[in-house]
Amino acid sequence: AQSVTQPDIHITVSEGASLELRCNYSYGATPYLFWYVQSPGQGLQLLLKYFSGDTLVQGIKGFEAEFKRSQSSFNLRKPSVHWSDAAEYFCAVGTSGTYKYIFGTGTRLKVLA
Amino acid sequence: EAQVTQNPRYLITVTGKKLTVTCSQNMNHEYMSWYRQDPGLGLRQIYYSMNVEVTDKGDVPEGYKVSRKEKRNFPLILESPSPNQTSLYFCASSIVPGSGIYEQYFGPGTRLTVT
Repeated sequence: AQSVTQPDIHITVSEGASLELRCNYSYGATPYLFWYVQSPGQGLQLLLKYFSGDTLVQGIKGFEAEFKRSQSSFNLRKPSVHWSDAAEYFCAVGTSGTYKYIFGTGTRLKVLA
Repeated sequence: EAQVTQNPRYLITVTGKKLTVTCSQNMNHEYMSWYRQDPGLGLRQIYYSMNVEVTDKGDVPEGYKVSRKEKRNFPLILESPSPNQTSLYFCASSIVPGSGIYEQYFGPGTRLTVT
């Protein structure tokens, strides 16, 4: 069965520090991968997506993610975190055969001033 | 403005009293979906719809119904709500390309409390 694992429930970083949020997936075919961000009390906003091609994808707000097929991973990175990045981040897999989406359990990011 | 709207945003109800949460999108998207979000569990898909009159179960469909009579609307129906359906609900929509799957656009959420 398809699944998405985000092993870090909470992450705390200082403002200006680099960030990496981990995402591992289990899916037999080529995955369609997404990262979404949810600010407090808000809906989800797409940060970036990977469908095919270049395995390093750029997103909004200075985020990037790298698809590594051999590791079944799609980790999200940002070189310098801003206080406004404090939010919850969700990794998701889209399954083209069934058109279902599977989300990870989320990583809550706290940014220290 | 392209958007997904949900109503109501907040709802407190009692066990067994039927309710409907509406969802509407103005982007002419074929695909629509409902999720519930619970602490520690992330988002779980309840139902989705590929187009008008086409719906399918997600991972947690028990206790919910949906209908897709118009392309823009996808209401979620709880015919006999129970306290374990207390949750934050999101509606989302997406285009459906010839193959593959695209990103979803999410509504603002509906916080439902069943007492």
